[in-house]
Amino acid sequence: KQEVTQIPAALSVPEGENLVLNCSFTDSAIYNLQWFRQDPGKGLTSLLLIQSSQREQTSGRLNASLDKSSGRSTLYIAASQPGDSATYLCAVSPNRDDKIIFGKGTRLHILP
Amino acid sequence: DAGVIQSPRHEVTEMGQEVTLRCKPISGHNSLFWYRQTMMRGLELLIYFNNNVPIDDSGMPEDRFSAKMPNASFSTLKIQPSEPRDSAVYFCASSPFGTPLEGEQFFGPGTRLTVL
Repeated sequence: KQEVTQIPAALSVPEGENLVLNCSFTDSAIYNLQWFRQDPGKGLTSLLLIQSSQREQTSGRLNASLDKSSGRSTLYIAASQPGDSATYLCAVSPNRDDKIIFGKGTRLHILP
Repeated sequence: DAGVIQSPRHEVTEMGQEVTLRCKPISGHNSLFWYRQTMMRGLELLIYFNNNVPIDDSGMPEDRFSAKMPNASFSTLKIQPSEPRDSAVYFCASSPFGTPLEGEQFFGPGTRLTVL
């Protein structure tokens, strides 16, 4: 059974620092992996989607990498800003069925 | 477009009552997804529809839960009878893609359900 883990559950960093959020999954047979952002009291916003054949995706200050063999993905945020404060979730979609499985997220707080 | 619309935003009810959550997807999107989010279990996919047809309802926790999509612009998630353990935030999302696998989903603001 696929499990997705995000550690740490919460993270605080000073504004301007670069940071990395981690996501690990137990079954390397995935179709794609997605990173989402969730602001308090809001729904999710898709940030980046990486297909299983890809190694990374970039959007602005965000870069997501995927290493299927080790069951890991990272979300790199460059030059963090207070507006980046949110909960970041990763999710994987297995090859063989249509389930999408989410991690519980990392709650990020950027200190002004 | 106004995005995915969910109503009500908050619902407080007593155990045993019927609860109906509503969702209007983004116009032109052919897939609609219902999720539940709790602190303990995180975000879980309950059911999704493609072209108004339920495709996968294996995430629906029990027979007390049912979902319908009578047309392309409206879906409901019903809980009857409701129980305290159903308390959660329920999200609806829509997508121009056919399955959760394929690409970006657009989430509504959620309905926070509290069952006393």
